[in-house]
Amino acid sequence: GESVGLHLPTLSVQEGDNSIINCAYSNSASDYFIWYKQESGKGPQFIIDIRSNMDKRQGQRVTVLLNKTVKHLSLQIAATQPGDSAVYFCAVSGGGSQGNLIFGKGTKLSVKP
Amino acid sequence: DGGITQSPKYLFRKEGQNVTLSCEQNLNHDAMYWYRQDPGQGLRLIYYSQIVNDFQKGDIAEGYSVSREKKESFPLTVTSAQKNPTAFYLCASSRGLAGAYEQYFGPGTRLTVT
Repeated sequence: GESVGLHLPTLSVQEGDNSIINCAYSNSASDYFIWYKQESGKGPQFIIDIRSNMDKRQGQRVTVLLNKTVKHLSLQIAATQPGDSAVYFCAVSGGGSQGNLIFGKGTKLSVKP
Repeated sequence: DGGITQSPKYLFRKEGQNVTLSCEQNLNHDAMYWYRQDPGQGLRLIYYSQIVNDFQKGDIAEGYSVSREKKESFPLTVTSAQKNPTAFYLCASSRGLAGAYEQYFGPGTRLTVT
């Protein structure tokens, strides 16, 4: 079945630096990808999504890159701020008729002042 | 204010008791979902519903039950058959099946069973 993995469980960056969080998926039929941010004790918040007909999508201070050839997804956060400290995880469409999302385990981003 | 509400935020129960977690949405979404989140784990799907009066088992449905009598509401019952019920439970909704639309999450309910 589909699996989704993250390259690093934790990431520590200096305030003002750029952050890059990576995700790998296994199902080449997956066509919809989402990044979520989850603060401690709260529900996940939608950050940005991308469909398989695109390679890159930008939001406010965030960029998602999709490489379908190697089945890799990344989230870039520009000028990381203390408020960005949270767990980030990717969600990938299963590619099957169930149509549900498969979630990665998350990367905990810590921002040092 | 549009969104998803879950109540209560914290819930404590004794082993052997059934407990029902509430989830309500006013986003007019057709699909609703229940996930379980354990420390260091990704979200695992318990049940989902694409439409009123219909629901499907997810990956870890054993020991749980749901109902979808109204579009806005999707309560989850954690039964005494669930072997390890202590966890953070998240409800979500989407316009359609999650493979095509983003899911919006509620604030979660932390259930502790002793």
